[in-house]
Amino acid sequence: DVKVTQSSRYLVKRTGEKVFLECVQDMDHENMFWYRQDPGLGLRLIYFSYDVKMKEKGDIPEGYSVSREKKERFSLILESASTNQTSMYLCASRGDRGLIEAFFGQGTRLTVV
Amino acid sequence: QKEVEQNSGPLSVPEGAIASLNCTYSDRGSQSFFWYRQYSGKSPELIMFIYSNGDKEDGRFTAQLNKASQYVSLLIRDSQPSDSATYLCAVNTNQAGTALIFGKGTTLSVSS
Repeated sequence: DVKVTQSSRYLVKRTGEKVFLECVQDMDHENMFWYRQDPGLGLRLIYFSYDVKMKEKGDIPEGYSVSREKKERFSLILESASTNQTSMYLCASRGDRGLIEAFFGQGTRLTVV
Repeated sequence: QKEVEQNSGPLSVPEGAIASLNCTYSDRGSQSFFWYRQYSGKSPELIMFIYSNGDKEDGRFTAQLNKASQYVSLLIRDSQPSDSATYLCAVNTNQAGTALIFGKGTTLSVSS
């Protein structure tokens, strides 16, 4: 079974804090993604990576950065958390061959107070 | 432009009926199309994917693709209360590289 694991299920952080969301996949997938999901807005792509140290901006990258130092790990960084970044964050991974659908982690519900 | 559009619903059908979920996309060069199901509080899980024009059937589910009309649909036959969920259409567009672009989802409610 493909496993995409996010480091936390729930997080509460204060405004202005630097926040790290970690994601690990065990399928040797080339591609990894960070989405946020908000009611009425659906899943929106923040950043994605198609290889180690490579990254591409998605639709809403402002206020976020990412790091991919190893193939299996993709981190989302909120440089200075704000209340409008309160959301459900979903990590996904996807291979280039064989099973090409995206597999999701369990999600991290982040609340910024 | 890489938009994926779905009716938000809710779509309500009685148990045993056919539920029809629709999705349109704007990038004509899109290659592959996915339907995900998401239960409340859970992550999306894949139901079906389709690449070629026409129909693809898997059990009670049928995905239909019409690239000329830029339209993909999901039919659920013999709908069950357990099918009540939000259904997300996702598209792999040329403009998005390897990423999947999602619609906002359609909420389906199946009443017993």
